[in-house]
Amino acid sequence: SYVLTQPPSVSVAPGQTARITCGGNNIGSKSVHWYQQKPGQAPVLVVYDDSDRPSGIPERFSGSNSGNTATLTISRVEAGDEADYYCQVWDSSSDQVFGGGTKLTVL
Amino acid sequence: EVQLVESGGGLVQPGRSLRLSCAASGFTFDDYAMHWVRQAPGKGLEWVSGISWNSGSIGYADSVKGRFTISRDNAKNSLYLQMNSLRAEDTALYYCAKDTAGRRSSSSPLDYWGQGTLVTVSS
Repeated sequence: SYVLTQPPSVSVAPGQTARITCGGNNIGSKSVHWYQQKPGQAPVLVVYDDSDRPSGIPERFSGSNSGNTATLTISRVEAGDEADYYCQVWDSSSDQVFGGGTKLTVL
Repeated sequence: EVQLVESGGGLVQPGRSLRLSCAASGFTFDDYAMHWVRQAPGKGLEWVSGISWNSGSIGYADSVKGRFTISRDNAKNSLYLQMNSLRAEDTALYYCAKDTAGRRSSSSPLDYWGQGTLVTVSS
């Protein structure tokens, strides 16, 4: 089965840049999607197809994907960005796969 | 406005059954694949099952295969999840999520999610 590996936590000061990684075997050949989930709320799509943003998502959210690592980058981090973030791909043998999630803490 | 409203959750004993429903509105339901994704208390997201726009393609996570059945009624704009032989490890918040494609097995994202319905399996 296909496995996506995320760091359990990332901490960043307000105004700085947060980078959340998602590791998987040759993930660069797949389309990666990222979701933000705040406490008590449903997940929200923030980046899709590696680097595209849905309407309404700030330009501060961006993504990249190459080799064995995909990265969600949040620039000029704000307190309201504090949340859990999940990466997701589709794999022919495992179907839809989510990473374990990363808790972003804004210091 | 897209809305997905789940219902049917509750407390159920191990080995029993439960049927979840998801009422969709605000989009052309029969154009899109749909999915169930669950989240155990304090844990991450786990894909459970997905169904294509015309029910022609269906998939399940290994953890529920043979016990859960996904279905949809396009005339009623509704998605369902029949859960049999429930186990304690099935305890979770179950989300209904809309795909951006009609096909189930694609690399498309899930662009809208409901608020979830809680299933608790306990004696």
